[in-house]
Amino acid sequence: QSALTQPASVSGSPGQSITISCTGTSSDVGGYYYVSWYQQHPGKAPKLMIYEVSDRPSGVPDRFSGYKSGNTASLTISGLQAEDEADYYCSSYTSSSTVVFGGGTKLTVL
Amino acid sequence: QVQLQESGPGLVKPSQTLSLTCTVSGGSINSGSYYWSWIRQPAGKGLEWIGRIYTSGSTNYNPSLKSRLTISVDTSKNQFSLKLNSVTAADTAVYYCARMGDFWSGFPFDYWGQGTLVTVSS
Repeated sequence: QSALTQPASVSGSPGQSITISCTGTSSDVGGYYYVSWYQQHPGKAPKLMIYEVSDRPSGVPDRFSGYKSGNTASLTISGLQAEDEADYYCSSYTSSSTVVFGGGTKLTVL
Repeated sequence: QVQLQESGPGLVKPSQTLSLTCTVSGGSINSGSYYWSWIRQPAGKGLEWIGRIYTSGSTNYNPSLKSRLTISVDTSKNQFSLKLNSVTAADTAVYYCARMGDFWSGFPFDYWGQGTLVTVSS
């Protein structure tokens, strides 16, 4: 199974909005609403930010939102804050009953 | 609050077997419809899903690791384990255990262990 495709890096200034894309195939992202997004700060375990494409776990700010169209899912962070600087990973369930992650995107808050 | 903790040797010799255990606390590993997963991350690289197990013992593995991999569960100890044989330097990574929701919630990894570094070296 091939990793989902994410941009290596994105950046934005405080208060701005950024979007991170996650492209797969019809066997994963395009075939299911089982896309999740994770935030990982250096040296820490990943944290679930979005599940089922657009749902937020309790405690995750509504500045984080998710969307999917076809084989591409997206994570948007609005009102960027310094603490949002981290690596972000998407994941998708697949038609083979496995999970595939994206390569990760480094978000820099300028 | 569910907590997961990985344990096992931090150094494994090439060609030998990497063995890790994840202990679940704050709830029974049998409660609810959850899968229990292993994920790894080489230094400076992305996340790689290794595999998952349901408390019934049913497993799914990453195809790239399947021939070397065994994941098992011990419900009496509230633990699940990973065995990866014939390891090479490419298996050096931080290994995470995580709880995975079912299809009703979209299979998210909602609780993670802190991770444990395993180095493969002679």
